[in-house]
Amino acid sequence: NAGVTQTPKFQVLKTGQSMTLQCAQDMNHNSMYWYRQDPGMGLRLIYYSASEGTTDKGEVPNGYNVSRLNKREFSLRLESAAPSQTSVYFCASSVWSGGDQDTQYFGPGTRLTVL
Amino acid sequence: AQTVTQSQPEMSVQEAETVTLSCTYDTSENNYYLFWYKQPPSRQMILVIRQEAYKQQNATENRFSVNFQKAAKSFSLKISDSQLGDTAMYFCAFMKHAPETSGSRLTFGEGTQLTVNP
Repeated sequence: NAGVTQTPKFQVLKTGQSMTLQCAQDMNHNSMYWYRQDPGMGLRLIYYSASEGTTDKGEVPNGYNVSRLNKREFSLRLESAAPSQTSVYFCASSVWSGGDQDTQYFGPGTRLTVL
Repeated sequence: AQTVTQSQPEMSVQEAETVTLSCTYDTSENNYYLFWYKQPPSRQMILVIRQEAYKQQNATENRFSVNFQKAAKSFSLKISDSQLGDTAMYFCAFMKHAPETSGSRLTFGEGTQLTVNP
């Protein structure tokens, strides 16, 4: 199993350009998440999808949109990139097991720079 | 809203010694989970240890153990017999209990950079 995969690993954009970050998991997890990590800070939740067909805003959703394409895939779109969106983006997934919320497993991250 | 605070931005320890990383959190929830994640230079987020708030017994995973003080809202990580490969950023994280349909949202602290010296 590959776990959680993200593409691309690195990306440089100009202000105003758009792009989509892709995330896929092969662990049959129900829930998927997008976080961003800025220097000197912990990860902050952008959007999440508790189950296929649902999406909800997290702590810092402005400037982003998401799509839960199917159970495996959850994409993050920047419609008009801004320098403030320069960050490292992490995708994660989790599943309930035995009535207890399970741990989140993270992808390797995408380093995005907006000039 | 929950907050997680790690008051030690950087720490260092000699190889084979023991080090403790601090974490405090603020919540009005009674049922929740706490985690320590490790982020080495590769940037990968790796689960170190997990603690359920309803369990009084402190979690342990090999050389890693926690001191969970629910009343004090404190959750420290102890690393015994430190190894060079333990050098990483360590994040404390909080997750409140929620229905399955709500997903499991994590709130992270700012992190502590740990350096293990030979």
